Amino acid sequence: DVKVTQSSRYLVKRTGEKVFLECVQDMDHENMFWYRQDPGLGLRLIYFSYDVKMKEKGDIPEGYSVSREKKERFSLILESASTNQTSMYLCASSLVERNSNQPQHFGDGTRLSIL
Amino acid sequence: DQQVKQNSPSLSVQEGRISILNCDYTNSMFDYFLWYKKYPAEGPTFLISISSIKDKNEDGRFTVFLNKSAKHLSLHIVPSQPGDSAVYFCAASGPNTGNQFYFGTGTSLTVIP
Repeated sequence: DVKVTQSSRYLVKRTGEKVFLECVQDMDHENMFWYRQDPGLGLRLIYFSYDVKMKEKGDIPEGYSVSREKKERFSLILESASTNQTSMYLCASSLVERNSNQPQHFGDGTRLSIL
Repeated sequence: DQQVKQNSPSLSVQEGRISILNCDYTNSMFDYFLWYKKYPAEGPTFLISISSIKDKNEDGRFTVFLNKSAKHLSLHIVPSQPGDSAVYFCAASGPNTGNQFYFGTGTSLTVIP
């Protein structure tokens, strides 16, 4: 079974702080993703990465950056946290296979509150 | 612009009956569709998928139907059980989405014992 582990289940930070959310997957997946989930808005993609040191902006990258120094680890960084970044953050990974589609596998999420 | 839409935010069904969750999409290039189930305080769990070469895929109590001409897919759960109570998300991807999946806003299913 694929295991995607997010470092914290709950996190409380203050406005203006730099916040790091960590995600590790154990299945050697090429693709990794960061989403946020808000009521009524579903899952919105912040950033994704298809290889080490590679990153692509998703639909809502403003105020965020990412780092992928190793294949198994994908970090989301809130450069200067603001209250509108209070949300549930979900990390996912997926395998790339040449001739077949593969689902994304999610971690349990980090509930982040910015005060 | 929402490329994948779930127009019903919630659905209640009696235990033992059929649950039907619906999803519409706008991008005709989507060729892979998935359903995820999410319990509170947990991440989404992959449930079932279908590729555009099929119109039906079945896994136990769960069946996904795809109507490409209508750009519509649905998830049928038969029989529904109280443990099925969760939020269900549909998602889609295609050759022009660059590894990206597009998610609907979710439907909260409540199965009443």
